[in-house]
Amino acid sequence: ILNVEQSPQSLHVQEGDSTNFTCSFPSSNFYALHWYRWETAKSPEALFVMTLNGDEKKKGRISATLNTKEGYSYLYIKGSQPEDSATYLCAFPPLSRYGNKLVFGAGTILRVKS
Amino acid sequence: GAGVSQSPSNKVTEKGKDVELRCDPISGHTALYWYRQSLGQGLEFLIYFQGNSAPDKSGLPSDRFSAERTGGSVSTLTIQRTQQEDSAVYLCASSAHDRGGETQYFGPGTRLLVL
Repeated sequence: ILNVEQSPQSLHVQEGDSTNFTCSFPSSNFYALHWYRWETAKSPEALFVMTLNGDEKKKGRISATLNTKEGYSYLYIKGSQPEDSATYLCAFPPLSRYGNKLVFGAGTILRVKS
Repeated sequence: GAGVSQSPSNKVTEKGKDVELRCDPISGHTALYWYRQSLGQGLEFLIYFQGNSAPDKSGLPSDRFSAERTGGSVSTLTIQRTQQEDSAVYLCASSAHDRGGETQYFGPGTRLLVL
C-alpha cells in the first residue's frame, strides 16, 4: 500500500521563527514529489515539484530538499509570517511517469502567531 | 489567465438526493482530476481523465459516484442518493499533461454538506 507520511501533524510558531516539516514517501520507483500550500477557503497552491535526488528548490522564504534514496523531503520556512499559516501538503504519483493521480499526505497545519 | 473554477462553491442537500458538481479546467489542459477531503482526512483521489482515454475511476468510493468530461473540457461529478458520509470538500484540478511530474492546478472546491 502506497503511503505518504507527514510530520508533525500541526505546528504553532511565533512570527519570525524558522520551521521545518517532513514528508516521507516510498523510495522505490520514485518519479516526483509535489508540495502544496492550502490556505483556508482557498485553492491548494503548488509550491514545488521535485524529481532529482539531492534537489533543493526555493521560493521566497520557503525551500525544500529531497532525498529519494531514503524517501523523505523537508520543507523549510525561514522567518515565518502570519500569512504563512496554512496546511502544507506533500503528494506522490504512484503511477510514476504514466499517470499523475496523486496520493497526498495528511498535511502539516502551520499557525504563525504575530 | 483564468484558473480552475468550480461550482457551486457550497451545496447543502438532504440525504438521498442527487447532486452535481461542476469543474471548468484551465483551457488547453488535457488532464483533469477530482479529489475530496472529508472531515479529519487527507486529500483522497477519486477519478482522473486524460484526453480521449478511458478515465481512471479507481478512487471512486461507490457506484453512487460517477463523473464525465464533455468535449475534453468541463467535467461533472455526480453523486446519487447522497449519504452523510459524502459530506466533504470536493476539489478539481487540471494539468497540461498527465505525467507524474506535472504540476496540478486546483480549483477552490465545492463544500458539500449532506443533512
